[in-house]
Amino acid sequence: ETVMTQSPVTLSVSPGEGATLSCRASQSISSSLAWYQQKPGQAPRLLIYGTSTRATGITARFSGSGSGTEFTLTISSLQSEDFAVYYCQQYDNWPITFGQGTRLEIK
Amino acid sequence: EVQLVESGGGLVQPGGSLRLSCAASGFTFSRYAMSWVRQAPGKGLEWVSAISGSGGSTFYADSVKGRFTISRDNSKNTLFLQTNSLRAGDTAVYYCAKDNSAWYSDYWGQGTLVTVSS
Repeated sequence: ETVMTQSPVTLSVSPGEGATLSCRASQSISSSLAWYQQKPGQAPRLLIYGTSTRATGITARFSGSGSGTEFTLTISSLQSEDFAVYYCQQYDNWPITFGQGTRLEIK
Repeated sequence: EVQLVESGGGLVQPGGSLRLSCAASGFTFSRYAMSWVRQAPGKGLEWVSAISGSGGSTFYADSVKGRFTISRDNSKNTLFLQTNSLRAGDTAVYYCAKDNSAWYSDYWGQGTLVTVSS
């Protein structure tokens, strides 16, 4: 099983600033990585797939990068609606696995 | 517009069973793989199971293998998850999700809560 480890667990950032979230895979997953955003009481929403491709309707303030075992989600100029929990997911091999999440909170 | 509506959750005793359903609309159901993902209260996301568009291929997390069965009825645009031998650790919101060919989930339902307790 591929273990996905996200860091940090919690990230405190002021609105208008940028944020960088990290995700590490225990083995190479090529570029088969997705990022999801989840707000309280809501279902997850797909942000990024294939490491760096934004999903339909996702603002260009969200960008993804990386390959192999190290991946990054970067959010520029944080808006109030961006404060949420973010999960990475690998879909390179079975079973599909998620990271434990990074909580992005207002500083 | 893609819509996924889960149902079938509820309170069940340990060892009991529930059949979860997910009614899909807004896309050609049979062309897409589907998944179930769960989230225990206050915890992160856990992938549970997935099924190909035809239903010919199924995949399970080790934590549910042998107890849960995923299936679909393409004539009724409905996804199912039969959950047996339920344990307290299965308590979670269960989300139905539409996958694309690469097995990430591009649309999610709002979830149905399963509570396993005596």
